[in-house]
Amino acid sequence: DSGVTQTPKHLITATGQRVTLRCSPRSGDLSVYWYQQSLDQGLQFLIQYYNGEERAKGNILERFSAQQFPDLHSELNLSSLELGDSALYFCASSSTGGANSPLHFGNGTRLTVT
Amino acid sequence: AQSVTQLGSHVSVSEGALVLLRCNYSSSVPPYLFWYVQYPNQGLQLLLKYTTGATLVKGINGFEAEFKKSETSFHLTKPSAHMSDAAEYFCAVSDQNNDMRFGAGTRLTVKP
Repeated sequence: DSGVTQTPKHLITATGQRVTLRCSPRSGDLSVYWYQQSLDQGLQFLIQYYNGEERAKGNILERFSAQQFPDLHSELNLSSLELGDSALYFCASSSTGGANSPLHFGNGTRLTVT
Repeated sequence: AQSVTQLGSHVSVSEGALVLLRCNYSSSVPPYLFWYVQYPNQGLQLLLKYTTGATLVKGINGFEAEFKKSETSFHLTKPSAHMSDAAEYFCAVSDQNNDMRFGAGTRLTVKP
């Protein structure tokens, strides 16, 4: 058990809808990362937060947004969903958010857009 | 930006045989390198990491990797494969920009 909790585990929704994925980091970790994993794109870095502030941005679409709250949990909001957004979304946390700090991953949220 | 290339999307070995999973990286600054393993329906777990110091890094479950700057490689090895090693393995690189980039993954199959 990594200590990172993601909810829900599965989500099925229709195109055009909006969903929110939630992540609770490992106790004591200040940094949260979001990744998207799909068969054709592999594991893609979306965004990183450290202690409530955005620290790094990857291949995140404008339709997607995220935030980290004062209690350090994070939410990833996906809107105007398209079929191609179907994927496994992982949250990971690290203690310092530094480049040499390993990531601890949750078990992911599997999003299916129909 | 930094990147990693994992050679071979699928590797199959017999139980007891040597495991060699290849990873080459590209980075304009000294990299931090990681190997992660993903079992079905789970998130990624850290196997080992290289930050500074000794170039041969030992990880969990008997895996190790060697950082070779001249070859820009960080290959993962295990002397003797076990059935429980069957999983997907990801090499990752990180630099001072803080975003960790993952390779495409290598699926390891272990035959009895």
